[in-house]
Amino acid sequence: GDQVEQSPSALSLHEGTGSALRCNFTTTMRAVQWFRKNSRGSLINLFYLASGTKENGRLKSAFDSKERYSTLHIRDAQLEDSGTYFCAAEGGSALGRLHFGAGTQLIVIP
Amino acid sequence: AQTIHQWPVAEIKAVGSPLSLGCTIKGKSSPNLYWYWQATGGTLQQLFYSITVGQVESVVQLNLSASRPKDDQFILSTEKLLLSHSGFYLCAWSLHGGKNQDTQYFGPGTRLLVL
Repeated sequence: GDQVEQSPSALSLHEGTGSALRCNFTTTMRAVQWFRKNSRGSLINLFYLASGTKENGRLKSAFDSKERYSTLHIRDAQLEDSGTYFCAAEGGSALGRLHFGAGTQLIVIP
Repeated sequence: AQTIHQWPVAEIKAVGSPLSLGCTIKGKSSPNLYWYWQATGGTLQQLFYSITVGQVESVVQLNLSASRPKDDQFILSTEKLLLSHSGFYLCAWSLHGGKNQDTQYFGPGTRLLVL
């Protein structure tokens, strides 16, 4: 079954505001990655976390393996932040196997 | 700097025809390589991974096969395409795998439409 539940599936934010995306895992994961889809459909790396939190500019991510979740916080949203964001968690026995969430479509409104 | 290339960029193929998609990694020796696939409207899922030349492990059965003929090359292929093979194919690499956690980096992707 699905091992990664990503929410919300869609999110609208006014410029300058912030919110959080969340991924819940049905099993213990070793690490999580967050991506943003580019205009061609490929994935741009945002964060890789094996634990704790990381911050990069207006983005901050957290991963709690024990509680089985990860979050991506966006603050002071800008128009160019619009796009689709994915989490992917690494777990299980298969080498390097990433289990992807279904994605969050973010729209930033002027 | 490492670069990852995929070819072709896009392909339209007939049902029953063969397919070969390629992926090359430059600037990194002995990477772990992965193939992912996303059906239209679906979730990205891993198809194959390879930790070394000549070794490929299948993760999901989709009537596709993969090969790693060179350290920097990963090929996805089938002799007979199905309609269900349509979608977006992504190649990825990482430095380590398994218990050595590491970031996966994705290529630009190949969009496939089977008619």
